This record gives sequence, C-alpha cells and structure tokens, in this order.
Amino acid sequence: AQTVTQSQPEMSVQEAETVTLSCTYDTSESDYYLFWYKQPPSRQMILVIRQEAYKQQNATENRFSVNFQKAAKSFSLKISDSQLGDAAMYFCAYRNSDYGQNFVFGPGTRLSVLP
Amino acid sequence: DVKVTQSSRYLVKRTGEKVFLECVQDMDHENMFWYRQDPGLGLRLIYFSYDVKMKEKGDIPEGYSVSREKKERFSLILESASTNQTSMYLCASGRLAGGHTQYFGPGTRLTVL
Repeated sequence: AQTVTQSQPEMSVQEAETVTLSCTYDTSESDYYLFWYKQPPSRQMILVIRQEAYKQQNATENRFSVNFQKAAKSFSLKISDSQLGDAAMYFCAYRNSDYGQNFVFGPGTRLSVLP
Repeated sequence: DVKVTQSSRYLVKRTGEKVFLECVQDMDHENMFWYRQDPGLGLRLIYFSYDVKMKEKGDIPEGYSVSREKKERFSLILESASTNQTSMYLCASGRLAGGHTQYFGPGTRLTVL
C-alpha cells in the first residue's frame, strides 16, 4: 500500500521569505499523481498544485512550486515571497493513475507566517 | 465554481445517538468520499462511492455506514455515536480519472458527549 510522510509537523516562515515543506511517499507504481492541498484555519481545503509523475518538469503555480524527485520519491513544496494568507495546514497527497483510485494523504504540516 | 456543501459546520451529539452527516456536490462527479481528520493523523478515508448506490470501505469504516441514493448526495451515518468519533469530518468529490483533484466541503466538527 502507498504511504505519504510529512516529517515536519510545524514550520514557520517570516513574511516575504521562502519556505520549503517536505513530503516523501512510498509506491511501487510508475504512473501516479501528487498533490499539495492547503487548509486555512476554519476554511475549506483547496488544491495548491499538482504534479504528474511522468512529467520531469516541476509544476509551478505563481509563488508555489514543487521539487519532484521521482527516484528519491520526494515531493517538496516551495512557497516564495510568503504572505500572511499562506498560513495553513498543508497536506501532501498521492493518487495512482488507475481509474477510480483513492487519495492517500500525509499527516500535514502546519505553516505559520510571521509578520 | 465547484461547490461541495455539508449539512452542518458544528454538531454536538450524545453517546448512543444516531448521527447523519450529509454532503452535496453540484459538479456531477462520480466519486464522493468521507474522511475523518484528526491532529497528527491527516485525513483518513472512511468510505467512498464511485456511483449511485455503490459504496466501498476505506481505511477506517468501523462504526460508520454510508448512503448514496442520488449522484449528488452522499451521507455518512453513525449508527450509535461514541466519544471516540469526536472529530472533523470532511466530504469530497471528484472525477474517477487519476489526475483529477478532489474538491472538499467545509467540514463538520462533530463532538460526541
């Protein structure tokens, strides 16, 4: 079974600085998808960024980018120019490419942004 | 915008009560999911459904059941609530294909006294 690990339960970053959240996963599959979700306090969980395993190029969404290392099974999230609104729980998730497969989530990292 | 709504944001029930949590999505998604979220454990899948009247057990189905009579609606039922079911419950929906994300509801914080 696939597993997702986030080794940093909590992190903090100064406003306008850069922070990297770590995620590792375990799978025997070669084709899959990886996701980062953000859950702000008392608000809905939303997708931040998505990576297809067959793509070597790292995904980027504005200030958010990933460092996808397939061989190492590592999928870190970099947040540049951190803003107060980035404070949230961040969850890394894995999904097989097979039709109808479920998501596997990591335990989450709570990110604080300091003014 | 995709919308996933849950019937209650906060719910307080007593031990032994039957509890219904409802989830509705408006995007014609095939898949619907119920998760439980606890600190340090992330999201754990309780049940999911890939079609009307179809259901599959997730990782922690004990003490829960589900119902999906219509495509847009997925209900989670606690037959006899217990204090260890105090938690945040998240509903999500999405397409069957692997690359598609899930869309989450706002969550229901359930307290069982």
